[in-house]
Amino acid sequence: SAVISQKPSRDICQRGTSLTIQCQVDSQVTMMFWYRQQPGQSLTLIATANQGSEATYESGFVIDKFPISRPNLTFSTLTVSNMSPEDSSIYLCSLQGLSVLDEQFFGPGTRLTVL
Amino acid sequence: QKEVEQNSGPLSVPEGAIASLNCTYSDRVSQSFFWYRQYSGKSPELIMSIYSNGDKEDGRFTAQLNKASQYVSLLIRDSQPSDSATYLCAVITGTASKLTFGTGTRLQVTL
Repeated sequence: SAVISQKPSRDICQRGTSLTIQCQVDSQVTMMFWYRQQPGQSLTLIATANQGSEATYESGFVIDKFPISRPNLTFSTLTVSNMSPEDSSIYLCSLQGLSVLDEQFFGPGTRLTVL
Repeated sequence: QKEVEQNSGPLSVPEGAIASLNCTYSDRVSQSFFWYRQYSGKSPELIMSIYSNGDKEDGRFTAQLNKASQYVSLLIRDSQPSDSATYLCAVITGTASKLTFGTGTRLQVTL
């Protein structure tokens, strides 16, 4: 199975600033996704990162707030822009497995705290 | 109505017992169903996937799917303290591979 890494693993940021989270996979994958897990909550899909085109955002999430890049089949970034304390969450990237349809596997996550 | 519903727990079972975790979903056209385990401070780990009605067994885990009742469950046999975690039910509806998660059930296996 693919190995997924995320950077940074955690960060503490000041409100009004932006943070870019990187997701690196050790093999080429077609589908990559970004999720948010707020404290004590379940996971919510932010967007699907499409290689070579604009990301597809879910209801309630917009590109200006969460710009996403997907320059190739092994890498994606999520930026959390103009942060507020409400953005304090764990951000996770995931990929769709190659061997079984629809199975998704998650990276280790980035724990973000906004002061 | 929430799309995927789970009892938040905690569900407490003694070591060696069977833990039964339940999940209901609202969209009848849902096609793919998953159980993830999430330890505190860690990311979700896929433990079972099921696509057709009936049971699917993998080691101590059995997933059960009943599409008519819109119900999916996870049984953990011979529960161990290391099974203590939050179990997330997730469903895919449609062709976009979008996973919708339940809120999770926290399982505590006691000695």
